Amino acid sequence: QLQLQESGSGLVKPSQTLSLTCAVSGVSISSGGYSWGWVRQPPGMGLEWIGCIYCSGSTYYNPSLKSRVTLSVDRSKNQFSLKLSSVTAADTAVYYCAGTEDGGSRDYWGQGTLVTVSS
Amino acid sequence: QSVLTQPPSASGTPGQRVTISCSGSSSNIGSNTVKWYQQLPGTAPKLLIYSNNQRPSGVPDRFSGSKSGTSASLAISGLQSEDEADYYCAAWDDSLNGSFVFGTGTKVTVL
Repeated sequence: QLQLQESGSGLVKPSQTLSLTCAVSGVSISSGGYSWGWVRQPPGMGLEWIGCIYCSGSTYYNPSLKSRVTLSVDRSKNQFSLKLSSVTAADTAVYYCAGTEDGGSRDYWGQGTLVTVSS
Repeated sequence: QSVLTQPPSASGTPGQRVTISCSGSSSNIGSNTVKWYQQLPGTAPKLLIYSNNQRPSGVPDRFSGSKSGTSASLAISGLQSEDEADYYCAAWDDSLNGSFVFGTGTKVTVL
């Protein structure tokens, strides 16, 4: 059973870089067959897609965040990461990591982690 | 802001059928498949429908999806109290080098 767990700083100062990691268990990222991504949800608001890696062999970003976002994979630790630079209060949200089976028939989500941007 | 538009709310009594619409454009729903997610309060989204009308294993057949042109719909038949949640449509969008987009979300209330 594939499981995902987010970790990282829950409090980030404005203008700094938000960094989150998603640990994957139950499957090897290196084995393929999945795309890996991030979704966020500001308090009381809807879902916003951030980006995905290994999506049909490529990396894609939300155009509105593209200049500030970097996704990466660490195969040795079986985890993938999100970095969002120059954060503001508008980046305060619950951040979810997710894995999707090729073909889209199944999603796996982490429990989500709240990141607050505040001085 | 989202490029997929949903009604903010929908409601029904237990046993009724509720339908949620999702309106997009030729670059997203018009040319790609649609997913639907259910999000219970305080939890991560759960995939309900993929490829417009396919249910992952374990999803009750009370949930059904359809797509026509640049719009899609989710129907919940035999509404149950545990169906009270937020529902989001989603699709790949081919504009701006490609991205995945979520709908604005619909809160379903069981009266």
